[in-house]
Amino acid sequence: DIQLTQSPSFLSASVGDRLTITCRASQGISYSLAWYQQKPGKAPELLIFSASTLQGGVPSRFGGSGFGTEFVLTINNLQPEDVATYYCQQVKSSPLTFGGGTKVEIK
Amino acid sequence: EVKLVESGGSLVQPGESLRLSCTASGFVFSAYNMHWVRQFTGGRLEWVSSITSGNTEYLGSVKGRFTISRENARNSLFLLMNSLTVEDTGIYFCARVVHTNYGPHIDLWGQGTQVTVSS
Repeated sequence: DIQLTQSPSFLSASVGDRLTITCRASQGISYSLAWYQQKPGKAPELLIFSASTLQGGVPSRFGGSGFGTEFVLTINNLQPEDVATYYCQQVKSSPLTFGGGTKVEIK
Repeated sequence: EVKLVESGGSLVQPGESLRLSCTASGFVFSAYNMHWVRQFTGGRLEWVSSITSGNTEYLGSVKGRFTISRENARNSLFLLMNSLTVEDTGIYFCARVVHTNYGPHIDLWGQGTQVTVSS
């Protein structure tokens, strides 16, 4: 199975900050990575697919990059509504696996 | 409104069975592959099973115990779970999948249904 390691597991930042979350795969997965945002008490929501394609309706302050084994989710100009846990998921091969999550809080 | 609504979760004892349902609305259900994903206390997400028009796949730890199925005429997805263990405890999400050249991703999630296995 392909393992995904997310870092950091927790982030505390100020409104307006730029955040980066890293997701590393145990083997190359091309661009086969998605990012999800999960707010407290809610289901996850798709942010980015194919490593860098923004899902419709997602604010442009979110961005994704990477290829192979290393991927990055960037949040520019952090907003209070961005408080959530962020997960990556590899969709290269079954079983599809998720990273452990990064919890983002506002200082 | 485009949505997925799960039901059927409850508290059961180890070894018992449970059948989860998911009802889709607002889109052409038959045109999409569907997944079940579960979330454990603490937040870890785990893909459980998927179904296309003709094929099914399962996570290794549930293979032989869980069965995914669908009834397109009723816009419904199901997950029959047998021989449940405490390790199956979690929130179960129904999920709609979209495919690109780089693989499937979930573009719509239900609100989840809680499954608790405890003696």
